[in-house]
Amino acid sequence: GENVEQHPSTLSVQEGDSAVIKCTYSDSASNYFPWYKQELGKGPQLIIDIRSNVGEKKDQRIAVTLNKTAKHFSLHITETQPEDSAVYFCAATASGGSYIPTFGRGTSLIVHP
Amino acid sequence: DVKVTQSSRYLVKRTGEKVFLECVQDMDHENMFWYRQDPGLGLRLIYFSYDVKMKEKGDIPEGYSVSREKKERFSLILESASTNQTSMYLCASSLNVRGTEAFFGQGTRLTVV
Repeated sequence: GENVEQHPSTLSVQEGDSAVIKCTYSDSASNYFPWYKQELGKGPQLIIDIRSNVGEKKDQRIAVTLNKTAKHFSLHITETQPEDSAVYFCAATASGGSYIPTFGRGTSLIVHP
Repeated sequence: DVKVTQSSRYLVKRTGEKVFLECVQDMDHENMFWYRQDPGLGLRLIYFSYDVKMKEKGDIPEGYSVSREKKERFSLILESASTNQTSMYLCASSLNVRGTEAFFGQGTRLTVV
């Protein structure tokens, strides 16, 4: 089955800095890569996703890049703000079967004012 | 507004009790999932269901069972609760199509004493 590795487990930045979270996946059949943000006391919520036919996608201060050859995708947050502090999860979903997402272990992002 | 609702935010149960965690979604989704979230381990899939009365084991099904009698409702059952099942439990749902996001409930924090 799919295996998703996520790094770092904890990331501490100053407000205004950029933050990068990296994930690798093992199943070459995976073709959908969502990123979820989990705020304290809440369930994860989708913030951005990318499909395998696209190399990069941007939405305001967040962007995601995908390298299919290396089986690697990353989340980039620019101009970080304290409200970006949360746990972020990457996931990979294969094209066959019941489209079950496999999640990384999560990154706790702390943005210091 | 789309919704996945878990019946309890917090539960405290005694060792050996039978525990029911309930989840309801209002989006007519085919897929429903139960994940367990533990620090440093991310989201681990316990069971999923792709249709009424259909269920498949995930990565950590031992000690758990599920029930899906109606499309909108997916229940997780701890047959005999143990202290190592103290955790955050997250329910999610999604359409059974390629490249679609999962919607999560707010989570149930279960403590087994």
